Parts: sequence; C-alpha cells; structure tokens
Amino acid sequence: NAGVTQTPKFRVLKTGQSMTLLCAQDMNHEYMYWYRQDPGMGLRLIHYSVGEGTTAKGEVPDGYNVSRLKKQNFLLGLESAAPSQTSVYFCASSYSSFGQRDKEAFFGQGTRLTVV
Amino acid sequence: SQQGEEDPQALSIQEGENATMNCSYKTSINNLQWYRQNSGRGLVHLILIRSNEREKHSGRLRVTLDTSKKSSSLLITASRAADTASYFCARGGNTGKLIFGQGTTLQVKP
Repeated sequence: NAGVTQTPKFRVLKTGQSMTLLCAQDMNHEYMYWYRQDPGMGLRLIHYSVGEGTTAKGEVPDGYNVSRLKKQNFLLGLESAAPSQTSVYFCASSYSSFGQRDKEAFFGQGTRLTVV
Repeated sequence: SQQGEEDPQALSIQEGENATMNCSYKTSINNLQWYRQNSGRGLVHLILIRSNEREKHSGRLRVTLDTSKKSSSLLITASRAADTASYFCARGGNTGKLIFGQGTTLQVKP
C-alpha cells in the first residue's frame, strides 16, 4: 500500500517546454487534487476531480490542464511552461466511495519544478 | 481568493507552553481539517471536525469550530520541539473542493 505517489520528484524545464506530472493512488479514492505551494502562499488548488472522467477548476487553473482517465491516476499537464509556474506541486486524494464523504486527504511527497 | 486567514502567520514558543492557531473562512463548509507539514515534506492530516461539531480532541490537540463566526482554532498543549512545523487549516465543501489557508509556522524552542 504505497498511498499517493508523485512522479517525478524534481524537474527543470525551459520556458515553453511541456511536461506532465503523474499522481497515482492505491486507496480507491474518488477525490483527487492538484495543489501548488509557493513561499508565503500556502497551498493553492489548481484542479480537482470527484471521480473517474471528471475534472473541475480550482483557485489557480490557468496554464494547467488535467485528466482523470483512470480512477487511480490524476495527471497535471503544463502545455507551455512559464517561470511563474516554478513551484512545489502536491497531489492529494480522499474519500473512498465505500466510506464517509467527510474524510481526510492523503498527500504525495511533492514535485519540485523549476522553469528557467 | 477563497482562502481564509490563518493567524498568526508565525509563532515562537518555549517547549512545554501551549500553542494556539486560528483559522477564519468566508464560505460555508462541510468540514474543517487541520494538517501539519514538516519542512520540504508532504502534508499529514491531524484532525477533522464536521460542521455540526463544536470541539474535537486528539491526544495533545484540541480543535474548536464556531460556524457562526466562521472560525476554527487549533490548540497544541504541552508543546515539544518535535512539534516545530507549519500548520494549515483546510475547508471541505460539498462539491469535493478542499481549500487551504496560508498556514502558521510554529517554532518550539527546547
């Protein structure tokens, strides 16, 4: 039982390049989230998903796209990276459909992305 | 921004003292959650309080929720140096959204 796994852990991109961050969870959770964390800003929600095949915008969705083709995976894409997207990205999941809806979220260890 | 306010932004206390952190929010909630983050690591869940609950305890942690004032507080009693971390509140809504505050950085001096 690995919990929430993020790939990769570190990445350096050049401005304009694209990349995909992968989040995988093995807890059969319905909800999955992508956040970015910048110094002094806390965690800001980029996109989230309440089930396979669904996605929704969070607080700061511009410049990012997501897909949830399989229940266990939530992908975050940067089509044309910008220096402003330099950040630490966290994925989280919560709520098994067999349990209560009000449940805590489990977090991955983060992806440190630098755009130069 | 939908983020609430956390207060204080930073807190420094001596080991053995109590630490209180406050969280205010603007929209209605299903639940309010508190998380801890050690430097450079992922977040770890501490405690969840539902909108129909007023107080909850877990070990040295005590959380209160006042939905009329749209505020919550986290009390850590008898703090230890190992409690040094950042603490975040997060608001769970009925759409599945989970919105975090900006956090409180706690330093506990031995």
